[in-house]
Amino acid sequence: LAKTTQPISMDSYEGQEVNITCSHNNIATNDYITWYQQFPSQGPRFIIQGYKTKVTNEVASLFIPADRKSSTLSLPRVSLSDTAVYYCLVASLPRQLTFGSGTQLTVLP
Amino acid sequence: GAGVSQSPRYKVAKRGQDVALRCDPISGHVSLFWYQQALGQGPEFLTYFQNEAQLDKSGLPSDRFFAERPEGSVSTLKIQRTQQEDSAVYLCASSLINPGRREFIKNIQYFGAGTRLSVL
Repeated sequence: LAKTTQPISMDSYEGQEVNITCSHNNIATNDYITWYQQFPSQGPRFIIQGYKTKVTNEVASLFIPADRKSSTLSLPRVSLSDTAVYYCLVASLPRQLTFGSGTQLTVLP
Repeated sequence: GAGVSQSPRYKVAKRGQDVALRCDPISGHVSLFWYQQALGQGPEFLTYFQNEAQLDKSGLPSDRFFAERPEGSVSTLKIQRTQQEDSAVYLCASSLINPGRREFIKNIQYFGAGTRLSVL
């Protein structure tokens, strides 16, 4: 299973752009990269998924370089409600979701 | 309901007691997963089902843990003779995609809010 490494914590201020980078050096050819968000007392929630280059949705952007050994989740103009734990996952059959410890993002006023 | 529902939300058990945790997945979702999340850690995979078939139970920590999904919808995670180290949040997730298919690796899992188990 592909192992991921991401920062334990990050702080930001409201209105700033936040970039969280995840490394996954042994990603397999068929693996996708998926990011989930988790608030206290809730289950993880899907944010975005990609295979290569750039993916954007209404919530975030995901940047994946050509070698795919890392990925960066970009959250534009964060607000206090974006304070949460963010998990980077590399999907590997057959057990698929392997969560690491995630990145605790704290958005300050 | 529209989402994955888990019950109870909180469970306190005395050591040695048996517990049963319920998961109602999103209607029509083929795949169902159970995870265990310890305080301050990410979720750890326990087991998953494709309809009523349990395809992988390699993440279950001991033979005291048992999961079933007899009719391919609702699932129950049972823990026998609970121990203090079983204290955690138990998360259930469901997905549309068949885990035996290649598209499985792209699938999005929808999680319930979890059941917080405290073993005293």
